Amino acid sequence: QVQVVESGGGLVEPGGSLRLSCAASGITFSDYSLNWIRQIPGKGLEWVSHISSRSDYTNYADSVKGRFTISRDNAKNSLYLQMNSLRAEDTAVYYCARDYSRGVDTWGQGTLVTVSS
Amino acid sequence: DIVMTQTPLSSPVALGQPASISCRSSHSLLHSDGNTYLSWLQQRPGQPPRLLIYKISNRFSGVPDRFSGSGAGTEFTLEISRVEAEDVGFYYCVQAKQFPITFGGGTKVEIK
Repeated sequence: QVQVVESGGGLVEPGGSLRLSCAASGITFSDYSLNWIRQIPGKGLEWVSHISSRSDYTNYADSVKGRFTISRDNAKNSLYLQMNSLRAEDTAVYYCARDYSRGVDTWGQGTLVTVSS
Repeated sequence: DIVMTQTPLSSPVALGQPASISCRSSHSLLHSDGNTYLSWLQQRPGQPPRLLIYKISNRFSGVPDRFSGSGAGTEFTLEISRVEAEDVGFYYCVQAKQFPITFGGGTKVEIK
């Protein structure tokens, strides 16, 4: 059974930075492309970023391009999201998700990021 | 970007009755590899989203067979044959044919 620990969320001022982590066990991590998706509390889902299984390529939503960087360490079974120049509109619960035949298989309970002064 | 539109916004259903949710994409989701990358997620109250269906009609591991998906091209449907209390929540369609991956706005299933 897949176990996931997401961490790194918290309260940060506008313009600040956070690094989210998603550590998985019970799965061959390197087999899968991975995504970060987010959800403003009480609202719908938004895709944020994607990374291929071997980090060959990455993709970003326009809303975060140039500010966020996705990365992974397959040896540590971990996915990361470096978030810089944070804005109020980045406030959301962030989920890591596996690409399962291009279905979005969300892991973990998510981590809340709050951007506020 | 591919826009995903779900209807209805809300679906009150009596226990044991069927429910149906429609999803329309602004462009065909048929990929050049022959697959159609449309999936459905369920989000129960207070829970993270959960993958139900991938590639139109494939149930993910552990998903009850009362959930089924159908469709092609730009028109897709999620059906629940007999709604149970645990099915209450939001349902989202999502396309992964191309980036950016985009989600429908969600449909709330509630018990009448």
